Parts: sequence; C-alpha cells; structure tokens
Amino acid sequence: GEDVEQSLFLSVREGDSSVINCTYTDSSSTYLYWYKQEPGAGLQLLTYIFSNMDMKQDQRLTVLLNKKDKHLSLRIADTQTGDSAIYFCAEKRGGGNKLTFGTGTQLKVEL
Amino acid sequence: GAGVSQSPSNKVTEKGKDVELRCDPISGHTALYWYRQSLGQGLEFLIYFQGNSAPDKSGLPSDRFSAERTGGSVSTLTIQRTQQEDSAVYLCASSPTGNNQPQHFGDGTRLSIL
Repeated sequence: GEDVEQSLFLSVREGDSSVINCTYTDSSSTYLYWYKQEPGAGLQLLTYIFSNMDMKQDQRLTVLLNKKDKHLSLRIADTQTGDSAIYFCAEKRGGGNKLTFGTGTQLKVEL
Repeated sequence: GAGVSQSPSNKVTEKGKDVELRCDPISGHTALYWYRQSLGQGLEFLIYFQGNSAPDKSGLPSDRFSAERTGGSVSTLTIQRTQQEDSAVYLCASSPTGNNQPQHFGDGTRLSIL
C-alpha cells in the first residue's frame, strides 16, 4: 500500500528510553526523516538517515534502518518531559522531492 | 537566523470566501513546499517550487487551490470558494535545494471554515 505506518501512542516514564517505530513502503526511498511536532507548532526536523546507512546517532537520538523489512526506528535515550510531542517519520521516495509522512506517534512522558 | 515564516497564524472565514496564505522561506532556500495537515488525512503534500522550474502541483486537491512564488522567494497559497473540508493546518517548508536536502517547516496557518 501507499501508507507509512506508525503506532499511534507511546507512554514512557521519565529517564527511560523511548522507541518509536515506523514502517515505510517504497524500497527506492532515498532519505528517511524524523520530525517532532509540539502542540500548536510546526514540524521540527530531528534527524534523518540516508538509505545506505543502517544506523545514525545524534546525542540522545539513535536511528536504526532495516531496509530489508522497510523498518525505521527512533530511540530517545533518557526521555524527558520536554520530549512529549507527536513524532512523524517521513520518506522521500526515489525520484521525487515531496515527503510522504507517517500517521504520527504521540509520545507521553510521565513522571 | 530566521526560520520559515507563515502568516496569518490563524484564519477564520466563512464558507465560500477566498483565502490567501503566505509563506516566507529561509533566506537563500530555492525549494519551497506546501503541505496540509488535517485530522482525517494526516500530512499531505500539496505543491513544490524549485527555482525557476515549473512547480509540481500533483498534490493540489482541486482547481480551487493554487499557489504562486514570486521572485523565487515568498509564496502565496490561495484557496477559492472555501469549503468546510478545507479546514486544516497549512504548513510551508523550504530547503536549500530540492535535491535530498532536509525540509524545514514553519509553524503553519490554522484555517477554520465556518
């Protein structure tokens, strides 16, 4: 199908790790992105990974890419209350410039 | 430096009226995108501008929607004869070039059609 799938909701305790998963559709996708959206705000680019990479780490964020299964994940270490937001994965499909977004995962961080 | 700027931040209008939404991209970015975020449809691509090339209009949902980009910078998205289903957040993004550069988003315009 055409959809990029994400689970809708994730709840973690402060200080724990969060793992947000995404399944994309197009094996020719060149870049995959993670964006964060806080209430009333636009999309903040968190990180992105090129399709020939398996992993990318950026401070508390780790992105894992499994091309065979078309699976992308975002791990947030030492999750804080300020990480509470909706997280979107997005793919840039081969030959195109637009982003195709997932459904978004709402992360709730509890004390 | 300044990010992508969109105005107005909120717009309420009556069904049947025309609306114009403005986007001011990051200075020097040649690529500009419009997306729509609605409860039922999630985030959808609308239109893409790159330099002087013909825009990619493949995401515009109907001929009531149009967009312009003047002088390679500011863009205006126009919706004519608005309908209630046009209610959404309209997001603009820009990138340095169109080729695999990350897109940076503005805070959007929340459009409500009464």
